[in-house]
Amino acid sequence: GQQVMQIPQYQHVQEGEDFTTYCNSSTTLSNIQWYKQRPGGHPVFLIQLVKSGEVKKQKRLTFQFGEAKKNSSLHITATQTTDVGTYFCAGDSGNTGKLIFGQGTTLQVKP
Amino acid sequence: EAQVTQNPRYLITVTGKKLTVTCSQNMNHEYMSWYRQDPGLGLRQIYYSMNVEVTDKGDVPEGYKVSRKEKRNFPLILESPSPNQTSLYFCASSRSHPSSYNSPLHFGNGTRLTVT
Repeated sequence: GQQVMQIPQYQHVQEGEDFTTYCNSSTTLSNIQWYKQRPGGHPVFLIQLVKSGEVKKQKRLTFQFGEAKKNSSLHITATQTTDVGTYFCAGDSGNTGKLIFGQGTTLQVKP
Repeated sequence: EAQVTQNPRYLITVTGKKLTVTCSQNMNHEYMSWYRQDPGLGLRQIYYSMNVEVTDKGDVPEGYKVSRKEKRNFPLILESPSPNQTSLYFCASSRSHPSSYNSPLHFGNGTRLTVT
């Protein structure tokens, strides 16, 4: 069945360093979504990408959707302690109702 | 305030004792879903519902039941809980199919279940 793999599983960075998490699907996705879960919290929607090659920015966060719509990335420029948490990608290969989540990347930021 | 409400937040139970985790949303969302979160495994879908009286299995449905008799409620039932169902559970809802444009998932605060 469809699988969504995310790497790395953990990342520790010094405040001010950049951070990137990658998401790869075994099948072509109709769209990709990104969620953030703060420690002890619940996942919160960040963004949805739909088009092949799409790039969207939210302040220091840059999201990309691959040309083949099988991979995506989230890049954070100049991390801050408020960026701490687990970032999940989620995709659906064909409007099946099954939004498949990656394993998540947990980001720790040292002040 | 628009929200997804799960109860209880914490639950400790024993093997075999039936339990229900409630989930309610006040946003008139059509789509509701249950996920379990385990370390290193991310969020795995248990069951989902596209609308009232319509439910379907996710990736890990074994040992769980759901019902969708009303649009706002989507309870998760464990008829005979076992220790491998110890996990953090999230209910989520969205306006329509979560892959639709501008129909993101809204999550509840989670239920941490321990089965001994």
